[in-house]
Amino acid sequence: DAGVTQSPTHLIKTRGQQVTLRCSPKSGHDTVSWYQQALGQGPQFIFQYYEEEERQRGNFPDRFSGHQFPNYSSELNVNALLLGDSALYLCASTPREYNEQFFGPGTRLTVL
Amino acid sequence: AQSVTQLGSHVSVSEGALVLLRCNYSSSVPPYLFWYVQYPNQGLQLLLKYTSAATLVKGINGFEAEFKKSETSFHLTKPSAHMSDAAEYFCAVSVYGGSQGNLIFGKGTKLSVKP
Repeated sequence: DAGVTQSPTHLIKTRGQQVTLRCSPKSGHDTVSWYQQALGQGPQFIFQYYEEEERQRGNFPDRFSGHQFPNYSSELNVNALLLGDSALYLCASTPREYNEQFFGPGTRLTVL
Repeated sequence: AQSVTQLGSHVSVSEGALVLLRCNYSSSVPPYLFWYVQYPNQGLQLLLKYTSAATLVKGINGFEAEFKKSETSFHLTKPSAHMSDAAEYFCAVSVYGGSQGNLIFGKGTKLSVKP
């Protein structure tokens, strides 16, 4: 059984560009959450998707947007990249009505 | 609002010694509490979770944690450290449970194990 997968593994962008990160949840999981982990910090919640809709959102600007597809996979989009967006972006999936999030390996985004 | 404070950004122990990583939380409602471990260049792996059942929670790799409501603490312990325990550890709180609520993480504690 494959775990949570994320692509790409690493990404380098320049300021002002746009980026799309992808996440495939574990089989049977219908909820996907995204987190940003800056260097030396704990992960910070960006948003959570359930039934193709954003269910909760953390304190992130509108430049951060997402999408969930019918197969439960998800994308995180970041527009107008800033240097401060450089971080490890983690995706976590959860089965319905269960209180544990399973994390993927993350995508390391570097903004130059 | 919920929050988590991890005391000590870096803890160093000798192999075979007791591991104690401290976590204090703030929550206006009964919390769900979690400990995750992160190895270099990897995602997070769940060590253990407290979900209002037994206050002493046993996890993987010999770790355990005790929920103490009076002290608002959820410290992580392991009786005997192993070299493979060297990693970063994160304490997290969720009000609604992991599936419906987001996780609020502490800043992490990096554990070093000396031979």
